[in-house]
Order: sequence, then C-alpha cells, then structure tokens
Amino acid sequence: EVQLLESGGGLVQPGGSLRLSCAASGFTFTTYAMSWVRQAPGKGLEWVSTISGGGTSTYYADSVKGRFTISRDISKNTLYLQMNSLRAEDTAVYYCAKAPYYDSGKRLDYWGQGTLVTVSS
Amino acid sequence: DIEMTQSPLSLSASVGDRVTITCRASQSISNFVNWYQQKPGKAPNFLIYAASSLESGVPSRFSGSGSGTDFTLTISSLQPEDFATYYCQQSHSIPWTFGQGTKVEIK
Repeated sequence: EVQLLESGGGLVQPGGSLRLSCAASGFTFTTYAMSWVRQAPGKGLEWVSTISGGGTSTYYADSVKGRFTISRDISKNTLYLQMNSLRAEDTAVYYCAKAPYYDSGKRLDYWGQGTLVTVSS
Repeated sequence: DIEMTQSPLSLSASVGDRVTITCRASQSISNFVNWYQQKPGKAPNFLIYAASSLESGVPSRFSGSGSGTDFTLTISSLQPEDFATYYCQQSHSIPWTFGQGTKVEIK
C-alpha cells in the first residue's frame, strides 16, 4: 500500500525558512517522479514542484522558483521541499504526491494528507 | 500558462441525480486532462486521466469526456459519498494547472 506522510509544517515569519519532508513507502521510490502541490486556505490546488525518479530533473512553478528547492533522499525514501524567503502568500497546506511516471508529474495518483505552513508575523 | 476554467463553481443535487461538470482550457490540449475529487479536510483523490480513462478502483458511475479545449466530468447517479469538490487539471505542459474547483452539495 502506497503511503505518503508529510511533516515539517508550522508557523514561520515572513522571510524565514522551513523544510518539509514526505516519507514514502509501499512502492519503489526511485522509479517515480514526486511532486508538491499546495492549497491556500479555502482556495484551489496549485502545483509547486516536481522531481524525477532519480532526482536529476526538477521543475518549479514561477511563484516559487529561486526560493524553493525540491530534493529526494533515496536512502531514506524521503522527499523534501526547502522553502526560503517565505511570504504570506505561501501560506497553504502542502501535499506531496506520487506520479505514475519516472520523469513527469503530469498526473498524481497518490497523495499525502498534507502539512500546514503558515507565514505570519 | 494554460488556464483551466470550470463551471459551475458550485451545484446542488440530490442522491441519484446525474451531474455534469465542465472544464475549459485556454488553448487546445488534446486529451491531456485529469480529474480529482477532494472532500473537506482531506487530500485529493485521483479519478480520471487522459480525459476519459478511469483510474483503477474508481466507481464506474464516474466518467470523463472531451478533447481540445472542452472537457466534462459526469457522475451518472450521485451517491452520498460523492458530495465533494472536483478539480480538473491539464497535463499538457508545465506548469501543470488546475481549475478553480466545483463544489457538489446536497440539495
């Protein structure tokens, strides 16, 4: 059974940093691309970033490019999202999600339960 | 970026009703559309890919159609567990973009 468990969310001040983690199990971690998708309170879904199965290719939304970094540790079966220079508009529930492809996050077949990031002073 | 516009944004329906949700892309995207269901406080659940292919385990009352710029999600006979918000998503090109969501409520 595929399981994705996010952690690392919390309250951070504008300009601060936070690292989200997503522990994956139930599938061969290096075979599939992984993504982060966020949802601001009461709003819709927004794709944030995708990393290929081997970690060599990464893709970002313009809204986070240069501030967020996606990575994966295959020894720990864990996906990360390093978030720097955080802004109020980054406040959202962040979901990690698995793609059924090696190098594309164009569809997401399994999702974690999400972790809330609040950027506020 | 490809913009995805859903309609309606909300609807009220009764158990057993046939429900149709529309999604329009800002440019032609062939059949590169996925659909997700999200219940309050929960993660999205993947329903349909490539506009009309049902994900494994999804009930057959869900169906999708369309190509080019216009797509639909249909629930043939609404069940109590189907009351949720539904999102379309284009898988044609990065950045992957979602529609605003359509909330299906109980009449």
